[in-house]
Amino acid sequence: KNEVEQSPQNLTAQEGEFITINCSYSVGISALHWLQQHPGGGIVSLFMLSSGKKKHGRLIATINIQEKHSSLHITASHPRDSAVYICAVAYKKSSGDKLTFGTGTRLAVRP
Amino acid sequence: DADVTQTPRNRITKTGKRIMLECSQTKGHDRMYWYRQDPGLGLRLIYYSFDVKDINKGEISDGYSVSRQAQAKFSLSLESAIPNQTALYFCATSDATERNQPQHFGDGTRLSIL
Repeated sequence: KNEVEQSPQNLTAQEGEFITINCSYSVGISALHWLQQHPGGGIVSLFMLSSGKKKHGRLIATINIQEKHSSLHITASHPRDSAVYICAVAYKKSSGDKLTFGTGTRLAVRP
Repeated sequence: DADVTQTPRNRITKTGKRIMLECSQTKGHDRMYWYRQDPGLGLRLIYYSFDVKDINKGEISDGYSVSRQAQAKFSLSLESAIPNQTALYFCATSDATERNQPQHFGDGTRLSIL
């Protein structure tokens, strides 16, 4: 069983909708990452956070350490946001920056 | 130019062949990683290197080997390829100056073993 669970696995939205993608994990972490994988396959890092909230443009990431849960929000969604969004965690017990990845949430935003 | 470059981008080969996937980076990062991605599974770590003299196995290293030729270059080899090694392979780098740094990914190598 994957130690990092994402929901939903697939999500279809209309342009302009507010989107939330969830990530939960099982044990203590030192950091949580959100990444975006484009349809062509390339992966980019969106956020890295260990507490609170971060915002970049229309993207907002939050984390609740006590509940072992993070959310990625997209406001005013646009078709160019269509991608796979991946949550990854760095467990406190692991060395360096080794990450454990969720299976991703595939988002399609329709015009 | 991309900061993390993987070659080749696509490769089709036959069972039993030796294959090398190459990764080079211009970010000056000490840490480099090789992952594979399979449909329905998260990225899984094959090998990682925290500097030129430090090579470590990841969770799925069987059937693979690596070489860190320089700070900027980290190669992944499949000594005798088998069909279940068909996957999308990613190289990534991160800065070692502090813990918990973002990872920077190459564009991936799509490998098919027939």
